[in-house]
Amino acid sequence: QLQLQESGPGLVKPSETLSLTCTVSGGSISSSSYYWGWIRQPPGKGLEWIGSIYYSGSTYYNPSLKSRVTISVDTSKNQFSLKLSSVTAADTAVYYCARHMSLHTGDWFDPWGQGTLVTVSS
Amino acid sequence: EIVLTQSPATLSLSPGERATLSCRASQSVSSYLAWYQQKPGQAPRLLIYDASNRATGIPARFSGSGSGTDFTLTISSLEPEDFAVYYCQQRSNWPPVFTFGPGTKVDIK
Repeated sequence: QLQLQESGPGLVKPSETLSLTCTVSGGSISSSSYYWGWIRQPPGKGLEWIGSIYYSGSTYYNPSLKSRVTISVDTSKNQFSLKLSSVTAADTAVYYCARHMSLHTGDWFDPWGQGTLVTVSS
Repeated sequence: EIVLTQSPATLSLSPGERATLSCRASQSVSSYLAWYQQKPGQAPRLLIYDASNRATGIPARFSGSGSGTDFTLTISSLEPEDFAVYYCQQRSNWPPVFTFGPGTKVDIK
């Protein structure tokens, strides 16, 4: 059974870079047809897609965050990572990683990691 | 940018009742629509993909329908574990951007 687990600091200072890693177990990150995505959810609010990456390194980013986001993949470790620069309090959220199925018929996210809360505060 | 609108914002029902949730897109998304369930403190769980296909392990009481701009998630008979927030999600063709609706909360009446 595929499982994803986010890891990284729970507290980041304003203007610094948020860095998270998602470790995939129970399956290979190099599987075809799958991208791997990051989604976030501010406390009490809705979901926002951040970006997705293919095992080859091809990426899609949310245009609203593109200038600050970098997503990378390490197939040898079965991990992919998120970096979000110049963070502010508005970036405080639960960050989820998820497998991103991308077919000609549609895209969806399944399964999801449990999520990790990142707070931006001095 | 395609915007998703979900209605109602809150749906108050009793166990055993039928729930009908709506998701409307600001322009056609064909059948590129998914539905998720989220319970407090948990990650979202995929229910429906491609507008009408149930994900693996999802009970038959959950069904999705629609295409173009109007979509519906129906829960035929609410079980106690179904009280949660439900989100729809779409894909825009180019550039590929994935957006979620604001959610519908189904709570116990």
